[in-house]
Amino acid sequence: EPEVTQTPSHQVTQMGQEVILRCVPISNHLYFYWYRQILGQKVEFLVSFYNNEISEKSEIFDDQFSVERPDGSNFTLKIRSTKLEDSAMYFCASRRTGGVETQYFGPGTRLLVL
Amino acid sequence: DQQVKQNSPSLSVQEGRISILNCDYTNSMFDYFLWYKKYPAEGPTFLISISSIKDKNEDGRFTVFLNKSAKHLSLHIVPSQPGDSAVYFCAASRTGGSYIPTFGRGTSLIVHP
Repeated sequence: EPEVTQTPSHQVTQMGQEVILRCVPISNHLYFYWYRQILGQKVEFLVSFYNNEISEKSEIFDDQFSVERPDGSNFTLKIRSTKLEDSAMYFCASRRTGGVETQYFGPGTRLLVL
Repeated sequence: DQQVKQNSPSLSVQEGRISILNCDYTNSMFDYFLWYKKYPAEGPTFLISISSIKDKNEDGRFTVFLNKSAKHLSLHIVPSQPGDSAVYFCAASRTGGSYIPTFGRGTSLIVHP
């Protein structure tokens, strides 16, 4: 069964460093998403991406964040200058176009900012 | 701003009994509701959904009930199995919008053998 994959599974970085989280969505999906979950809190929407552009973003997704689909398979989330409060689990998700669809989530990347 | 609330952070149930997980929402514009299941080190996995035009949806051992007037939904698992032990997230979305779900904080279900 096709699945969303994410790399790395864990990342530790120093405050102020740039990180890039990578995702490979399901191949025939056209909508892509990033979510995060700070430990003990709810899963929060960051950004959605369709047709090579951001379609929606939350207040969390400020200028420190960017997304890119550099080729036909990868979908990346970049945090330019990490802060301590960026420590969280980051989930990528994708879905097919059309209708009321559910999203398929990847296993997540646990980011720890020291 | 908790538009979707799961007030019980954890629930412990004996194998074979019924598990009932509850969820409340505040935004009356939500018209599509989902339950996700999450195991450690994995992403959330879709479990079952319900549209606001229904009050019940059943899939095997899982049933979701929706009470629109109370803005309340619940997930029933009957009979509960140890493999059901996971974190369950309630989520709500608007079908006329972007379908981006708003999640609750989750309820950790433990099913004891």
